Amino acid sequence: HSALTQPASVSGSPGQSITISCTGTSSDFGTFNYVSWYQQHPGKAPKLMIYEVTNRPSGVSNRFSGSKSGNTASLTISGLQAEDEADYYCSSYTGSIYVFGTGTKVTVL
Amino acid sequence: EVQLVESGGGLVQPGGSLRLSCAASGFTFNTYTMNWVRQAPGKGLEWLSYMSSSSRVINYADSVKGRFTISRDNAKNSLYLQMNSLRAEDTAVYYCARDSPWGGTLDSWGQGILVTVSS
Repeated sequence: HSALTQPASVSGSPGQSITISCTGTSSDFGTFNYVSWYQQHPGKAPKLMIYEVTNRPSGVSNRFSGSKSGNTASLTISGLQAEDEADYYCSSYTGSIYVFGTGTKVTVL
Repeated sequence: EVQLVESGGGLVQPGGSLRLSCAASGFTFNTYTMNWVRQAPGKGLEWLSYMSSSSRVINYADSVKGRFTISRDNAKNSLYLQMNSLRAEDTAVYYCARDSPWGGTLDSWGQGILVTVSS
């Protein structure tokens, strides 16, 4: 399994919405919906933002939402805020291994 | 509060060995599958290995299979990663991460520990 493909960077102005894509193959995503998204600020550990494609853990802002169509998952951040500036990684559990995306740097203009 | 604290990192020569530890607290460790994930400097995340709660199910990424060994001691609430035959490309921050109760998601992460492989 190669890494899932994400755009290297995405930017937006405060208040705007942005979407990050995560593309793989059918074997990358398996027959499960175990797609997760992680936020990572510089020098910090990753933080779970979305799990099982669309679910938000307790405490994560509802400005973050996830979706999936075919072999592409997406993370949308609405009402972009300065604190959202970070690296974002998608991940898929295939049933035997975890595969991460290449990572996307989100810049708030 | 879930806490995962890695230790054991540092500088090691190519070909050398190192054992990482992850001390868990704030949850019932012996009921969770645990993982190791690493991140090379300036690079993305790479999953390395997991071990089920009972230690019966283990899996490794191809990049470390045969060189790294995951283990756990449920009595000590600890996860380990024995790393042998280290290479320069193993230089990274190593994270331990907990699987969600339902599986398929890494829901809690340690702060990470740096391993540098260099002569």
